[in-house]
Amino acid sequence: GQSLEQPSEVTAVEGAIVQINCTYQTSGFYGLSWYQQHDGGAPTFLSYNALDGLEETGRFSSFLSRSDSYGYLLLQELQMKDSASYFCAGLYSGAGSYQLTFGKGTKLSVIP
Amino acid sequence: EAQVTQNPRYLITVTGKKLTVTCSQNMNHEYMSWYRQDPGLGLRQIYYSMNVEVTDKGDVPEGYKVSRKEKRNFPLILESPSPNQTSLYFCASSLLEAPQETQYFGPGTRLLVL
Repeated sequence: GQSLEQPSEVTAVEGAIVQINCTYQTSGFYGLSWYQQHDGGAPTFLSYNALDGLEETGRFSSFLSRSDSYGYLLLQELQMKDSASYFCAGLYSGAGSYQLTFGKGTKLSVIP
Repeated sequence: EAQVTQNPRYLITVTGKKLTVTCSQNMNHEYMSWYRQDPGLGLRQIYYSMNVEVTDKGDVPEGYKVSRKEKRNFPLILESPSPNQTSLYFCASSLLEAPQETQYFGPGTRLLVL
């Protein structure tokens, strides 16, 4: 199957900005999503990029560059509650079906 | 309230004893899938279904079965569970025309196979 690569851990200070990168395999690639998961909880959808460029949703933004096979999630004005794991997920199409493949996740720790 | 429900939430079983984890959604979603989550490995797709009676293997289908007889239900079946299937399992559903933008996850099922 396809694979997506992202850093395993990131630490940032409350109030700061952090960027979580994700690189992906291009064969059959359709779009890139980001999910947030707090310990013990279910993943929740944050954003989706089908086209190149920046998508902004409040303090969170997501970027996609198809030419570089790369995307990132940008979190601004970090809050303690943003401490969680963040997953990028690629939608891949082929043979009339869609398959979602997740990265292994980035554990974000926000410190005072 | 739009939701995906899974049952049971927690399950301890023994090797070889067949079990079923149920998944149901109330959003009329066509696309449903099962994932397992293990430390350091992220979420890996087990099976997915694009509609009733249409199922496909994901990245880690070995040892699992699914069925999609009704649009709202997508049970995961372990015919002969083994300890390496101890994991956290999530069911998810979404609209077929926008699977990445509308995906909802269930609360998860923690399975321990002894």
